[in-house]
Amino acid sequence: GNSVTQMEGPVTLSEEAFLTINCTYTATGYPSLFWYVQYPGEGLQLLLKATKADDKGSNKGFEATYRKETTSFHLEKGSVQVSDSAVYFCALSDRETSGSRLTFGEGTQLTVNP
Amino acid sequence: DGGITQSPKYLFRKEGQNVTLSCEQNLNHDAMYWYRQDPGQGLRLIYYSQIVNDFQKGDIAEGYSVSREKKESFPLTVTSAQKNPTAFYLCASIPDRTYTDTQYFGPGTRLTVL
Repeated sequence: GNSVTQMEGPVTLSEEAFLTINCTYTATGYPSLFWYVQYPGEGLQLLLKATKADDKGSNKGFEATYRKETTSFHLEKGSVQVSDSAVYFCALSDRETSGSRLTFGEGTQLTVNP
Repeated sequence: DGGITQSPKYLFRKEGQNVTLSCEQNLNHDAMYWYRQDPGQGLRLIYYSQIVNDFQKGDIAEGYSVSREKKESFPLTVTSAQKNPTAFYLCASIPDRTYTDTQYFGPGTRLTVL
């Protein structure tokens, strides 16, 4: 079956530091890959996505590249801000799985200090 | 504005009582989903529905029930059979059943069993 593994958190950085959150996946087909962000007490918002190998998703300074050879979709940002503090979820869906359901990683809590 | 609404935001229930969580969307999306989120964990799929009058069990359906009588509404009932119902519940939807589609999430309902 499908699975997503994220680096363990929590992650604490100073403002303007470089961020990497690792994500690797296992899937039977050719999945679409997503990063969602959750701010305290809220639902999830799509941060970025990639639907095929070598695609790069980007949004708000965050980037992630779909690497089929390493089954990875690592999230990066060159300079984090205090407002980036949130929980980040890596997720996948694929055509082999009924209902286009998402499989999530466990989430990584990011705290950015001023 | 289009979106997904969940009500109430906070819900308290006595042990042994059933409770229904509301999820409404005005996005004209076909598929809807219910997830459960526990502290420090990813989201787990409870139920999903791809079309009106049809729904499928997810990974943790025991103790829950749903209905899909209208396209815009997908209520979730947490029954007394659910052994550990205290959690954050998230509803989501996608435009159709294409696996590349982004899921849109509601703001969530936090259920606490007293």
